[in-house]
Amino acid sequence: NAGVTQTPKFQVLKTGQSMTLQCAQDMNHEYMSWYRQDPGMGLRLIHYSVGAGITDQGEVPNGYNVSRSTTEDFPLRLLSAAPSQTSVYFCASSYSWGATPHGYTFGSGTRLTVV
Amino acid sequence: AQTVTQSQPEMSVQEAETVTLSCTYDTSESNYYLFWYKQPPSRQMILVIRQEAYKQQNATENRFSVNFQKAAKSFSLKISDSQLGDTAMYFCAFQLGEDSNYQLIWGAGTKLIIKP
Repeated sequence: NAGVTQTPKFQVLKTGQSMTLQCAQDMNHEYMSWYRQDPGMGLRLIHYSVGAGITDQGEVPNGYNVSRSTTEDFPLRLLSAAPSQTSVYFCASSYSWGATPHGYTFGSGTRLTVV
Repeated sequence: AQTVTQSQPEMSVQEAETVTLSCTYDTSESNYYLFWYKQPPSRQMILVIRQEAYKQQNATENRFSVNFQKAAKSFSLKISDSQLGDTAMYFCAFQLGEDSNYQLIWGAGTKLIIKP
């Protein structure tokens, strides 16, 4: 089925480890983004991309890197995991960037625990 | 600062009742888009309904409708004939324009429980 695929669904890391959360979409969406969701808070934007080769920082970018070499893929890298990065991470994509937005399509999320 | 406030952390109603979730927001921009998203226990984020700020007519999607009051910066969601499957977290969000890189600003969510 078409949509946004995130892997893994669950991950436990030790402090200081690095890892990459994968995100892929097959809808030819230009816009992709990464959010983190913490209890009692709305989603907060980490990084986003408006097309292949173009990325920018969101509200909470520290400790994360992204790249967008293809339209389909937008991986999120944790450089040196910290307990403060324990969260649920969502990847989202959309057709519209600047045009009438149709809403975002979200992946199923990755629950990350840093111990 | 651009903010979204959902003043009801949790609500519960009986099945088949009507429930209204409140949302207020603050922005200085005049053109934006408003959304309600649903997040069931499966964690999947699902778009429920959207509203363009320049449209006065309230959006409707089957049992879901909004009451959009632009002057009051209010965007409430009404769920009619509620069903057990409506149990979920509901998030209100608005999307800014070009000057703000079209960012989505999210509320903290309202947990809605539909009781049988």
